[in-house]
Amino acid sequence: KQEVTQIPAALSVPEGENLVLNCSFTDSAIYNLQWFRQDPGKGLTSLLLIQSSQREQTSGRLNASLDKSSGRSTLYIAASQPGDSATYLCAVGNYGQNFVFGPGTRLSVLP
Amino acid sequence: EAQVTQNPRYLITVTGKKLTVTCSQNMNHEYMSWYRQDPGLGLRQIYYSMNVEVTDKGDVPEGYKVSRKEKRNFPLILESPSPNQTSLYFCASYPTRYTEAFFGQGTRLTVV
Repeated sequence: KQEVTQIPAALSVPEGENLVLNCSFTDSAIYNLQWFRQDPGKGLTSLLLIQSSQREQTSGRLNASLDKSSGRSTLYIAASQPGDSATYLCAVGNYGQNFVFGPGTRLSVLP
Repeated sequence: EAQVTQNPRYLITVTGKKLTVTCSQNMNHEYMSWYRQDPGLGLRQIYYSMNVEVTDKGDVPEGYKVSRKEKRNFPLILESPSPNQTSLYFCASYPTRYTEAFFGQGTRLTVV
């Protein structure tokens, strides 16, 4: 059964820093991986979707990479801003199970 | 505007009183799912549907029912709610299993 972990569980950084969030999964038989952002009391917003055949995706200051063979993905946030403060979730699209989510990384960017 | 709409957003109910949480999407997506989110446990899938009249269990289906009579709607039914079903519930839709998922705003359910 697929298991997804995220490190760190929480992260606090000063504004302007570049940072990396990590996601690991146990079963490499995935068809995609998606990164989401969740703000308190709100739903999930999709940030980036990487298909299993792709190595990375970029959107603005965000870059997500995928190494399927090693079961890892990273989300890189450049020049962080206070507005980036949120919980970041990764979810793997798994044959037979649909999406399996990680527990999330809670990010605080301090002004 | 493309969206997934859940109702109600907040609900407090008593043990055993049947309730339905509605979910509607306006994107003509085939796939829809229900998740619950609990502290320390993350998001777990309850049920999903691949198309009209096609549904399957997720990881935590006990105590829940779903139906998919129309493509746009995927209600979550709790026939006899219990306090351990107190949670934050999310509905999601996506065009196919290989594409981006769109989530509703969530329904915070409290069962007393």
